[in-house]
Amino acid sequence: TQLLEQSPQFLSIQEGENLTVYCNSSSVFSSLQWYRQEPGEGPVLLVTVVTGGEVKKLKRLTFQFGDARKDSSLHITAAQPGDTGLYLCAGEGVTTDSWGKLQFGAGTQVVVTP
Amino acid sequence: EAGVAQSPRYKIIEKRQSVAFWCNPISGHATLYWYQQILGQGPKLLIQFQNNGVVDDSQLPKDRFSAERLKGVDSTLKIQPAKLEDSAVYLCASSLLLGSVNTEAFFGQGTRLTVV
Repeated sequence: TQLLEQSPQFLSIQEGENLTVYCNSSSVFSSLQWYRQEPGEGPVLLVTVVTGGEVKKLKRLTFQFGDARKDSSLHITAAQPGDTGLYLCAGEGVTTDSWGKLQFGAGTQVVVTP
Repeated sequence: EAGVAQSPRYKIIEKRQSVAFWCNPISGHATLYWYQQILGQGPKLLIQFQNNGVVDDSQLPKDRFSAERLKGVDSTLKIQPAKLEDSAVYLCASSLLLGSVNTEAFFGQGTRLTVV
């Protein structure tokens, strides 16, 4: 089992501030995904990163995959209350028998207050 | 495109009772997952199907949990008998195909189970 550790566990910020959440592991992943989950809902996929060093941007969200494909970060610029949610990272292993098997981190709960 | 459908949304049962959850995946998705999400934790995979065959059930407590996916479409997850520690949200997800990398899983809204 590949463990994914997310930090911080909880983050509370004011609207307009920036934030970064981290996802770390000692294992290499073929791909890593970020999801956002709102109360009472299932996780919704935000992005998938697959190449070491890859950077993807989704409006005010910037995702980075580490060069060694063991870690990732999510940066939000000028956070808005609508960014509030539980941010989950999920990794897919490098061996063919681990493709399609997503291991999730515990998540970072982000609260953005007006 | 319709998403992953789950029912019921909420269920409250007493310990030692049984309960069943239902999931209808996105049309054409061969892979179906059941996850358990305990409050404050990330989803934990219970069982994974490819069509109507089990791919991975290594983390399913088989003494009380069972799941099936008849005809490779809908799936049911059953708990019998339930324990207090089974209180959680049960999430169903589907993806297009196992065996290809860069899986993108689509989740249903989940069933919140409370065992009292």
